[in-house]
Amino acid sequence: QVQLQESGPGLVKPSQTLSLTCTVSGASISSGDYYWSWIRQPPGKGLEWIGYIYYSGSTYYNPSLKSRVNILVDTSKNQFSLKLSSVTAADTAVYYCARGVGATAGRMDYWGQGTLVTVSS
Amino acid sequence: DIQMTQSPSSLSASVGDRVTITCRASQSIGRYLNWYQQKPGKAPKLLISDASSLQSGVPSRFSGSGSGTDFTLTISSLQPEDFVTYYCQQSDSSPFTFGPGTKVDIQ
Repeated sequence: QVQLQESGPGLVKPSQTLSLTCTVSGASISSGDYYWSWIRQPPGKGLEWIGYIYYSGSTYYNPSLKSRVNILVDTSKNQFSLKLSSVTAADTAVYYCARGVGATAGRMDYWGQGTLVTVSS
Repeated sequence: DIQMTQSPSSLSASVGDRVTITCRASQSIGRYLNWYQQKPGKAPKLLISDASSLQSGVPSRFSGSGSGTDFTLTISSLQPEDFVTYYCQQSDSSPFTFGPGTKVDIQ
């Protein structure tokens, strides 16, 4: 059974860096069979794909966030992480990690439960 | 970026009704279209991939069709647990984008 679990601070101050980790169980990131994505959802709003990483460290970021986003992978811990810098209130959202499959790795078949991150002083 | 639209944004229906949700892409995406169901406070759940492939464990009352720019999700007979929000998503090219969602309410 594949499971993903997000962890990290629930409150971040404006201008600081948001840092989250996704721990994967039931699947090996280093297998190279999947890509690993971050997606966010502001309260009461729709879904925005942030970017993904491959086990090798290769990444693709949404251009709308590219200047502030960094996604890293730690295959030894079977984890990948998200860093979003210079946050503002507009970055307040539930952040999800997910596994990407398919020809383009854009189909997300397993998701974490999500973690709410609030940006506030 | 490929823009995704959905219609309607919300609909009211009754248990047993047949409902159809439409999704349109701003350019051709072949059949790289996925449908997700999201219950309040929960993560989205993949229902249908590649326009019409039902995921394992998803009830057969859900079906998808379409190709190119126009797609539909049909629920043949609404059940009480189906009154939630549905999103389409294109996986043809990065950045992957979602539709704004369709909320299905009890009439």
